[in-house]
Amino acid sequence: DAKTTQPNSMESNEEEPVHLPCNHSTISGTDYIHWYRQLPSQGPEYVIHGLTSNVNNRMASLAIAEDRKSSTLILHRATLRDAAVYYCILMTGNQFYFGTGTSLTVIP
Amino acid sequence: DGGITQSPKYLFRKEGQNVTLSCEQNLNHDAMYWYRQDPGQGLRLIYYSQIVNDFQKGDIAEGYSVSREKKESFPLTVTSAQKNPTAFYLCASSILFARNTEAFFGQGTRLTVV
Repeated sequence: DAKTTQPNSMESNEEEPVHLPCNHSTISGTDYIHWYRQLPSQGPEYVIHGLTSNVNNRMASLAIAEDRKSSTLILHRATLRDAAVYYCILMTGNQFYFGTGTSLTVIP
Repeated sequence: DGGITQSPKYLFRKEGQNVTLSCEQNLNHDAMYWYRQDPGQGLRLIYYSQIVNDFQKGDIAEGYSVSREKKESFPLTVTSAQKNPTAFYLCASSILFARNTEAFFGQGTRLTVV
């Protein structure tokens, strides 16, 4: 199974940038890197995804290492509403494989 | 509005009873998925379906059953054979069973078996 490794938890001050790391050393050439986030008692919400190049959207940026064995989700200015569990997922084969994610705490 | 709907939000059942969780989507998505989430854990795949009348087991299918008679519906039955059924269940759908696509999740059903 494709696996990702993330820190269990991180903290950030409000309105500061947040860099959430993810290691995926077993990634294959055609696997996409996806990020979702989940608020308590809710379903996960799509954040961003990419293959090789860095990606930007209205929610976040995704920086992918040149060897694709790691990636970083960047929230440019953390708000209290960004407090959630963030999952880094490899879309491989025909399944999404979720790990335990990173619980982000935003400090006012 | 398009979306994916799970019902009910909370469900209580007695031990030994089968229970069916509903998942409906009006996004015209081909692929649908069922996940289970336990406290402090990530999501584990129970079943998935790519097209109508076809579905595949995920990592933890034992004690569960599904059907896909209509494109928009993918109900999950938790049978009495499931030893630890109390959990948070999430349904998802996506356009294609492919890698360059986002999945949409429902708001989940919290099942408690007493």
